[in-house]
Amino acid sequence: SSELTQDPAVSVALGQTVRITCQGDRLRSYYVSWYQQKPGQAPVLVIYGKNNRPSGIPDRFSGSSSGNTASLTITGAQAEDEADYYCNSRDSSGNHVVFGGGTKLTVL
Amino acid sequence: EVELVESGGGLVQPGRSLRLSCAASGLTFDDYAMQWVRQAPGKGLEWVSGISWNSGSIGYADSVKGRFIISRDNAKNSLYLQMNSLRPEDTALYYCAKDFQPYWGSYGMDVWGQGTTVTVSS
Repeated sequence: SSELTQDPAVSVALGQTVRITCQGDRLRSYYVSWYQQKPGQAPVLVIYGKNNRPSGIPDRFSGSSSGNTASLTITGAQAEDEADYYCNSRDSSGNHVVFGGGTKLTVL
Repeated sequence: EVELVESGGGLVQPGRSLRLSCAASGLTFDDYAMQWVRQAPGKGLEWVSGISWNSGSIGYADSVKGRFIISRDNAKNSLYLQMNSLRPEDTALYYCAKDFQPYWGSYGMDVWGQGTTVTVSS
């Protein structure tokens, strides 16, 4: 089981805002990165470091964190945002990298 | 453009070995840590291993520690994963990924290959 906990599935109406969360004991100490994965494709980094967005990622994607919870927010979700989203950070020992179990986002 | 291309996957019997390779281009390879991440069919992402820019820092998931060995050849812009004592649960698509920084596990992985499939079955 993953040491980073994500809701398995979330849905959002087209154009609305959705928050995907990731909980972990050591998230106060380490950065969290977020990845988008569409069926049959490799993951794509959407948020890294201290809530930075790689070039080419729309500004409707943003990251935040509070305590042991990190969040990925999509403001004005589009149909093309329908995908699996994974958070990534260090585990409780700090010696390993770990992914959350993933959240399947459905855009209605 | 930065590109990562994995190779070496295939069908292998339990207990046997396989060596994966990842060829990198379009970047100064020895500026960055590299990682291996796998995804079993229909499952989520699982971190396998990471290696720093100079091979001085290496980490493994508990599920592969003692069986898999990560290495890199900066002169050849290449990353490797030697997989020994393979088990059916190692069946997955294996991705190599470039880290943002020289040391793995801090900022995230900004470039991914398309993956190479490993199937462990008798």
